[in-house]
Formats: sequence, structure tokens, C-alpha cells
Amino acid sequence: TQLLEQSPQFLSIQEGENLTVYCNSSSVFSSLQWYRQEPGEGPVLLVTVVTGGEVKKLKRLTFQFGDARKDSSLHITAAQPGDTGLYLCAGAGDSSYKLIFGSGTRLLVRP
Amino acid sequence: DTEVTQTPKHLVMGMTNKKSLKCEQHMGHRAMYWYKQKAKKPPELMFVYSYEKLSINESVPSRFSPECPNSSLLNLHLHALQPEDSALYLCASSQDLGTGGASGYTFGSGTRLTVV
Repeated sequence: TQLLEQSPQFLSIQEGENLTVYCNSSSVFSSLQWYRQEPGEGPVLLVTVVTGGEVKKLKRLTFQFGDARKDSSLHITAAQPGDTGLYLCAGAGDSSYKLIFGSGTRLLVRP
Repeated sequence: DTEVTQTPKHLVMGMTNKKSLKCEQHMGHRAMYWYKQKAKKPPELMFVYSYEKLSINESVPSRFSPECPNSSLLNLHLHALQPEDSALYLCASSQDLGTGGASGYTFGSGTRLTVV
């Protein structure tokens, strides 16, 4: 069974601080996605990474896919209150129709 | 149009009621999904439709009945639900069944269902 573990589960930081969220597995994924979900809303796709070692940037967010395609990280620079939400990593597994979600990281950025 | 629209946004129903959740997308996506999300948990896959045909049922109880009337619409019919079925029900779509991993999924805002 393919599993994705995210850490930390919860993060409370002050505005302006930097943070990194990790998504790890013992399995190889053909691609990995990051979503952000706000309360009462559906997840919104932030990025998809496909190639091992790939780095993608989205304004203050930097996403990296591990060389072996088993892990990924999300780094936020100078966090803002608008970054608050649930961050989910999700991998396309052996059965490509099925997204395997990580357990999620709940981020709170305090003004 | 790059959205998945779900209605209603909130629904309260009794255990003997019959209700339906609706999902609509006009992106030309051929794969559509129903997910269930409990509080503080990641979404869990329920059903997958590909080209309007049910492809995957993740062992979901028969009190949940999906329907895909056409390529843009997806319904979830609910009957005789239990309080533990209370959750956020999310609809999603992707270009095709096999490309969701590469191109990403578009999720709707969900229906917050409460069973009393």
C-alpha cells in the first residue's frame, strides 16, 4: 500500500517567518501534487511535480520533488496570514486514477 | 470556465430522507470523482467516472448512489444515511482517468452534509 506522510501536522508561526513542510513515502510516485484547502472549501491545486529533482516556484512558495521521486517539500518564504490553510500533498500511485493524499499540514500564520 | 460547481453548499438531512448532491463542470474533462472528507482528515475517494461510465467504486455502501447523466454532470444520490456519514463531499474532475496525476485535479467547493 502506498502511503504519504506529511510533517509537521500543525504549524503556528508569526508573519514573516519561513517554513518547510515535508511529504515522505517509501514508494515511488510518477508525479506529486500540492494542494491548499481553506475551511469549508475544496482543495486548490498549487503545483504538480513530475521529474525527480524538479524544483518549481510559485511566488513565495518553492516546491521540490526528491531525486528518487519518493518525497517532496514545500518551502514558504516570509509567510503571510493569507497562507493560512491546510496543505495537502497527493501522489499519483500505481493506479494512476487514484490520488493518494498525505495526512495534511495545518498552517496558521499569525499577524 | 475552469470551475467545478457543487450544489447545495450545505445540506441537513434526516436518516430517512432522500437527497441528491450535484456537480457540474464545463472544462471538457472526461473523468469525474466523488470524495468524502471528514474533519481534519484528507479526502477519501468514493467513486470514479470515466466517459460517463462508473469505473471505480471504492467499496462505498449502497446508501450512496452515483449517477452521471452526461459528460458535464455528476450526481450523488443519498438515502437512509447515518450520522457518521456527515462530512464534506467533494467533486473533482480531470482531463482523463490516467492524466489526473500529471495535469492535476480540479475540485469543487464541496457540500457540507449533516445527517441528523
